[in-house]
Amino acid sequence: DTAVSQTPKYLVTQMGNDKSIKCEQNLGHDTMYWYKQDSKKFLKIMFSYNNKELIINETVPNRFSPKSPDKAHLNLHINSLELGDSAVYFCASSQDAARFSSGNTIYFGEGSWLTVV
Amino acid sequence: DQQVKQNSPSLSVQEGRISILNCDYTNSMFDYFLWYKKYPAEGPTFLISISSIKDKNEDGRFTVFLNKSAKHLSLHIVPSQPGDSAVYFCAASAQGGSEKLVFGKGTKLTVNP
Repeated sequence: DTAVSQTPKYLVTQMGNDKSIKCEQNLGHDTMYWYKQDSKKFLKIMFSYNNKELIINETVPNRFSPKSPDKAHLNLHINSLELGDSAVYFCASSQDAARFSSGNTIYFGEGSWLTVV
Repeated sequence: DQQVKQNSPSLSVQEGRISILNCDYTNSMFDYFLWYKKYPAEGPTFLISISSIKDKNEDGRFTVFLNKSAKHLSLHIVPSQPGDSAVYFCAASAQGGSEKLVFGKGTKLTVNP
């Protein structure tokens, strides 16, 4: 009974293609995130949505477009894929967008391994 | 600009001994710190956290220590078990900022039986 689930787990695609990664959380959380772990292993935030509203956009190329149809879903669409987009993309959620605390922390999905060839 | 640094990429300890994982930060606005554990091909899972108003937080075998003046925190695991073998990420969030976590690069812990 996965709390934060994302699909696909593995994706290999050619440069120039458009692809989407889907994410769903069943925790009843209000806030969802996309994080990216690059080849240097840094885990960095890309976007955050609270109740379907974008609240964080960390200077990500506009080829990346998140979409939140409802607060339980946050999908990531990537246009014109480039080699440098190869990374692991983690979806996550938290209770709300208030300050982190012992009662409000981030829960991550298992990751989507994207390889652009 | 690495605001959260984990300078040891790997650590190896014997089962039953203490594991100490270290983390340094540069942003004095950070006021909440977390440790996440990550197994291969899985997402990070929350382990333990500490607020800047405390200097120690304990949860079973896991204790996190915070030294604000040194901008340093550490995670102690006692006793270490083979199942603790994973990558451990230190993360921090800033007071008054948008709620995002800034992660370190991680330390791979191997506990040998």
